[in-house]
Amino acid sequence: EVQLLESGGGLVEPGGSLRLSCAASGFTFSSYAMSWVRQAPGKGLEWVSGISAGGGTIYYADSVKGRFTISRDNSKNTLFLQMNSLRAEDTAVYYCAKRDIVLMVLGHFDYWGQGTLVTVSS
Amino acid sequence: EIVLTQSPGTLSLSPGERATLSCRASQSVSSSYLGWYQQKPGQAPRLLIFGASSRATGIPDRFSGGGSGTDFTLTISRLEPEDFAVYFCQQYGSSSLTFGGGTKVEI
Repeated sequence: EVQLLESGGGLVEPGGSLRLSCAASGFTFSSYAMSWVRQAPGKGLEWVSGISAGGGTIYYADSVKGRFTISRDNSKNTLFLQMNSLRAEDTAVYYCAKRDIVLMVLGHFDYWGQGTLVTVSS
Repeated sequence: EIVLTQSPGTLSLSPGERATLSCRASQSVSSSYLGWYQQKPGQAPRLLIFGASSRATGIPDRFSGGGSGTDFTLTISRLEPEDFAVYFCQQYGSSSLTFGGGTKVEI
């Protein structure tokens, strides 16, 4: 059974940093691209960043480019999101999501974690 | 960036009725790259449709997708109580990915 378990969310002041993790199991993690998608309270979905299976190709949404860094450790089946210079508008539930097929970084997501809440407030 | 506009914002229907949800793109989207998700309160999204018209694993056949170019639809032929939720369309390209704003299907 595929499982994605996010952790690392919490309350942080504007300008602060936070590192999210997503522990994957139940599939060959090193074969699939992964992404982070966020959802502000009561709002829609926003794709944040995606990384290829091997980690060599990375994309970011313009809203986080230069502030967030996605990475992965295939030896530990874990996806990361380092978030710096956080703003109030980054407040959201952050989901990690698995690409549905072994092809291209971006695509559809067939498995999602339960999400971790990041709140940016003073 | 391709903007996806979903309509209506809210659809009020009864169980057993047919639901038709629209997703319009600001520029042409390859059908292969258009999908639909269902999200219930407090839950992560679930993939329903990929490639505009292919049902994901385990999705009942009352869900169907169609369209091409800039206009896509998700149809639920007969609403079951568990289908009342928010639905999002999604498209992706070589380096970016966007979601529509969502349609809430309520009783």
